[in-house]
Amino acid sequence: DIQMTQSPSSLSASVGDRVTITCRASQTISYYLNWYQQKPGKAPKLLIYAASSLQSGVPSRFSGGGSGTDFTLTISSLQPEDFATYYCQQSHSTPKTFGQGTKVEVK
Amino acid sequence: QLQLQESGPGLVKPSETLSLTCTVSGGSISSSSYYWGWIRQPPGKGLEWIGSIYFSGSTYYNPSLKSRVTVSVNPSKNQFSLKLTSVTAADTAVYYCARGDSSGYSEKIDYWGQGTLVTVSS
Repeated sequence: DIQMTQSPSSLSASVGDRVTITCRASQTISYYLNWYQQKPGKAPKLLIYAASSLQSGVPSRFSGGGSGTDFTLTISSLQPEDFATYYCQQSHSTPKTFGQGTKVEVK
Repeated sequence: QLQLQESGPGLVKPSETLSLTCTVSGGSISSSSYYWGWIRQPPGKGLEWIGSIYFSGSTYYNPSLKSRVTVSVNPSKNQFSLKLTSVTAADTAVYYCARGDSSGYSEKIDYWGQGTLVTVSS
């Protein structure tokens, strides 16, 4: 299985901050990397697919980058509705593993 | 707008079989561009991919669960299902059904059900 490791596991930030979350794959996965946002009691929501493509309807303050084994999710200016947990997922091979999550909390 | 809705027992006894159904509305389950799958999330923990089924009938399972899991589809009812045998307390989780889009150059899970909590307890 491909292991996905996110860092940090949690972070504290303020509205307006620039936030970057990192995801590392245990082996190369090209650009087969998705990012999801999950709020408490809700299903995850797709933000970014293929490492850097913005899902329709997702605000442009979200962006993704990277390829191979190292990837980033950046929120350019954190908004109140962005406090949530973020997961990366590799879609390169089965099982389509997720990272352990990064919780973005209010500072 | 595509919608997915999980249904099934919220309580299952240890050693028994967990059975869930996902009903798809607002779109057809019979499309070669999509696949249908299950993901679970133990309380307070992260997401675990369980398995998926493609239009061709091909199925893919998480090796950690492969001996116990079956995903099947019922096109006539626009539903797909999950069966997980010999459950233990470790299988207690919120179970999500989801649609995967494999039509482009990369796969992504673009629609999710709301999730259903299944507790394994006697």
